[in-house]
Amino acid sequence: NAGVTQTPKFQVLKTGQSMTLQCAQDMNHNSMYWYRQDPGMGLRLIYYSASEGTTDKGEVPNGYNVSRLNKREFSLRLESAAPSQTSVYFCASSNNRRVDPEAFFGQGTRLTVV
Amino acid sequence: GEDVEQSLFLSVREGDSSVINCTYTDSSSTYLYWYKQEPGAGLQLLTYIFSNMDMKQDQRLTVLLNKKDKHLSLRIADTQTGDSAIYFCAESNPNGGGSYIPTFGRGTSLIVHP
Repeated sequence: NAGVTQTPKFQVLKTGQSMTLQCAQDMNHNSMYWYRQDPGMGLRLIYYSASEGTTDKGEVPNGYNVSRLNKREFSLRLESAAPSQTSVYFCASSNNRRVDPEAFFGQGTRLTVV
Repeated sequence: GEDVEQSLFLSVREGDSSVINCTYTDSSSTYLYWYKQEPGAGLQLLTYIFSNMDMKQDQRLTVLLNKKDKHLSLRIADTQTGDSAIYFCAESNPNGGGSYIPTFGRGTSLIVHP
């Protein structure tokens, strides 16, 4: 069972470069999420997709864009990376239903912007 | 203030019980969760409790919920060195679109020493 798969696992970018973080889930979940984790800050929601074809902003969306490519895949794009975007990025998915609220997480992408 | 608050560090001796506390602000929280994050890994759901419950027990884990005080705790009995990790408290409630998106605290680092 792959669960939630994120690529790449590590990335170093120069300020101003762009990149796309990929996420795929094989659990047929309706909803997918992107969080960032910074030391002492917990996880903060960047964007989410409640269902295929929809995306919405979370708590910290500035500097990011997302695409829900299909039910399985949800990508996060940094158009012009900044040092403040150095973080660990987690993708998650869930069925997002009252009777099934558990979110499953990927292993994370560790991004450094220099 | 933050939606979910928890202390940042807890140190216990191996074999003792650990109690990690969390407070939340949203009285409409439907689910409350405890996630565990080991070094370099993603988040793993330990347990969750529905808001109409007071207690949930699962092997060495006991979750207590005090809705009046909006206080959640996780007790780990017979704490082992393998329990050393960051523990995240999270809550979710259906937002305007009916999505149960977890909101996380900053995490409590549990250190278990011999």
